[in-house]
Amino acid sequence: DAGVTQSPTHLIKTRGQHVTLRCSPISGHKSVSWYQQVLGQGPQFIFQYYEKEERGRGNFPDRFSARQFPNYSSELNVNALLLGDSALYLCASSVGTGSEAFFGQGTRLTVV
Amino acid sequence: GIQVEQSPPDLILQEGANSTLRCNFSDSVNNLQWFHQNPWGQLINLFYIPSGTKQNGRLSATTVATERYSLLYISSSQTTDSGVYFCAVGSNDYKLSFGAGTTVTVRA
Repeated sequence: DAGVTQSPTHLIKTRGQHVTLRCSPISGHKSVSWYQQVLGQGPQFIFQYYEKEERGRGNFPDRFSARQFPNYSSELNVNALLLGDSALYLCASSVGTGSEAFFGQGTRLTVV
Repeated sequence: GIQVEQSPPDLILQEGANSTLRCNFSDSVNNLQWFHQNPWGQLINLFYIPSGTKQNGRLSATTVATERYSLLYISSSQTTDSGVYFCAVGSNDYKLSFGAGTTVTVRA
């Protein structure tokens, strides 16, 4: 069975640009969460979606947005990129909120 | 939010040695997971253990929820055990809160 898949795996963007990251959850999982991990730190929660509704939002600016589609896949959008947005972005899927989370391989975003 | 502290921050082991990693958390949780982050960044699930004890090969974990800590045991360590180990906890607010991780280096 396929695990959580994220695309692209690597991305280089210029300051001020917009980026869209994509995530496909494990089949049967209805919850998708996004995390940001900067070098040397643990992942930080950005968003959780369950049944296509936002269920939680972390302490990130409004430049960050996300959505979940009817097939439970998800997109994370970041506008007006800053150098500090350079990080590994991780997507996690779970059957429901609060159940065991499984992570994708991540998208490594570099903002120059 | 819940605070998560992991110790030690760094651990250097000789191949074959045993070790214990600790995770303390500041509030009641209904989700606790241990992960191993590989060199490419993917978080590999080790244990889902909000309470009790589990074992998987050379790894085992124990969570004492009433005392708000969890332990991860690595026995007979191998070089492939090297990497960063994260503890993550969740309560009723859906998100997982991660510790800063323990970096384990196993030398041959």
